[in-house]
Parts: sequence; C-alpha cells; structure tokens
Amino acid sequence: QKEVEQDPGPLSVPEGAIVSLNCTYSNSAFQYFMWYRQYSRKGPELLMYTYSSGNKEDGRFTAQVDKSSKYISLFIRDSQPSDSATYLCAMSEKSGTYKYIFGTGTRLKVLA
Amino acid sequence: ETGVTQTPRHLVMGMTNKKSLKCEQHLGHNAMYWYKQSAKKPLELMFVYNFKEQTENNSVPSRFSPECPNSSHLFLHLHTLQPEDSALYLCASSHDRGNGYTFGSGTRLTVV
Repeated sequence: QKEVEQDPGPLSVPEGAIVSLNCTYSNSAFQYFMWYRQYSRKGPELLMYTYSSGNKEDGRFTAQVDKSSKYISLFIRDSQPSDSATYLCAMSEKSGTYKYIFGTGTRLKVLA
Repeated sequence: ETGVTQTPRHLVMGMTNKKSLKCEQHLGHNAMYWYKQSAKKPLELMFVYNFKEQTENNSVPSRFSPECPNSSHLFLHLHTLQPEDSALYLCASSHDRGNGYTFGSGTRLTVV
C-alpha cells in the first residue's frame, strides 16, 4: 500500500464549478499537510499548508484535514480556466526541514 | 521566478556523458533538496542537505552525485546514466522555521 494515494485524473469541470480534490494516507504520524499546484513545465508551488485536523480557507481555496479518516481535501470554488494544473498533496510528520511524502498528483482541466 | 533557480532548463545527454545540474536559492533557507519527478509517479526524494551537510540519501544510485558547497547552492553531478533516468529533476529549499518547500522550475533531463 502506498503511503499517500491520490487519483491521477484527469478531472474535467466546467468554469464556475466547485472542484474537490482528495488524498488518503496510511501513516497516522503525519501532522502537516500541504497542497501544491504545478503548471505545465513549471515546478510545484505551495497553495495551502495546514497542521493537524480542521479547515483552512484562502480565497477560493479551502483545505480540509480529517485525521481520524486519514483523508485530506482541497476545494476550489468558482473554478477558472487558470486553475487548470496538476494538484499535488504532500504530508510530513514534522515541520521545517523535513522530507515530505507526495501523492502522484491530480490533473485538473477547467473548461471555459 | 520563485526564488529557486535551476539550470539548465533542458538537458539531453548520452549514456556515457558527464553533466551537472545547478540549483541556486537566495531566500535565506538552510535546507535544499533534490527530487525526481517521473510521469504518473509521486515525487521521489533523492537527497537532503541541511546547512551544507547531507542528511538524507534515499538509496540513490551512485551515478547521481550531489554537492552542496554552501547553503545557497546545490549541484547534481550525473554520469553514465540510463534511459530510465529521464525525468524532471526538481530542486527545492526550505527553512527550519518555515512551512513547506519552495521549488525551482526543474531541469527536464533526457538520456539517449
């Protein structure tokens, strides 16, 4: 079993839709959870960083962590064609200088 | 630019060649990382350096040789690579008191 599971997609949605991206994990020691966005021919960029369970909102993006179910989600409201990218979840046991375990990424296409 | 600069952006090399990838950050981060990104696979951690000292070598073949002369620069020396080493090589940096990595745009390596 992989440490982090993520549906690779592609996921196609119409502009304005609410997008839900998800990851499951097996290591209960993970405490720090991140979502990265990667455009084609670019490196990943950090979108959301959360600690432990709960929700965090930033503009159109909401990150949700359910440690009891070992499940994290990223919601994108009012999706735009510019949101078309690959979204990677990542998690770690510690913060700061530490290795993160990444999912395979979900490719999202928002159709105009 | 994210603050982490990788050169070259693209590299094609034969299996008998020797080449080097370069990464530079001026964000004041103390840790630097090499990751390998292959299609449909999670990012694979290769090496971690913290304050110039290697703290992680994730069972990487010896044909990949990292070098970290200072906290701002990181190199990956390549020799006698195999076609399966073709991938996007990403450099990242982080701070002990920071949240998440900052990635470069990567070097797209093709071994022929």
